Amino acid sequence: EAEVAQSPRYKITEKSQAVAFWCDPISGHATLYWYRQILGQGPELLVQFQDESVVDDSQLPKDRFSAERLKGVDSTLKIQPAELGDSAMYLCASRTRGLAGVTQYFGPGTRLTVL
Amino acid sequence: KQEVTQIPAALSVPEGENLVLNCSFTDSAIYNLQWFRQDPGKGLTSLLLIQSSQREQTSGRLNASLDKSSGRSTLYIAASQPGDSATYLCAVVGQGGKLTFGQGTILTVHP
Repeated sequence: EAEVAQSPRYKITEKSQAVAFWCDPISGHATLYWYRQILGQGPELLVQFQDESVVDDSQLPKDRFSAERLKGVDSTLKIQPAELGDSAMYLCASRTRGLAGVTQYFGPGTRLTVL
Repeated sequence: KQEVTQIPAALSVPEGENLVLNCSFTDSAIYNLQWFRQDPGKGLTSLLLIQSSQREQTSGRLNASLDKSSGRSTLYIAASQPGDSATYLCAVVGQGGKLTFGQGTILTVHP
């Protein structure tokens, strides 16, 4: 069964360093999402892509976060510089093109710890 | 802005009990509602998806109901097992497919 792939699974970094996370959605899925989940809370949407275009980045802290999906397939989320409050699980999800009501499939996530 | 609330925040039950998890949302203009399971340190697994036109969905020992007009959903788990221990997340799908999640219910089923 096809899955959403994410790497790395775990990342430990020091404050002010740069970090990057990678996501490879299920083949053929045009819509890709990045979520951030702080421990004990539900995931919150950071950015949504439709193919290579950003559809919603209203909750993305653009002073330090950036996201790209250059060829409309895999995606990278970057944080520069990392802050202590960025420690969280970063989840990637994808779904097929079309109706907004279809299921999103989630990857295993990247656990970020900022020291 | 859509807000999703889940009650209780944590629940501990003995094996074999039937249980109900609750979810409420403030904006009834949703496409659907999904229940997810999350094991510690892992990603999310979709359990059930209820379209806005539906009242309930069933999968094995799980049954989810939706009352869109009142902004409520319940997840019923029958004959709970220790393997059901996890965090259960409710999420509503709004415009553009955006998921808004509740904070989750941590379920512990002890033998």
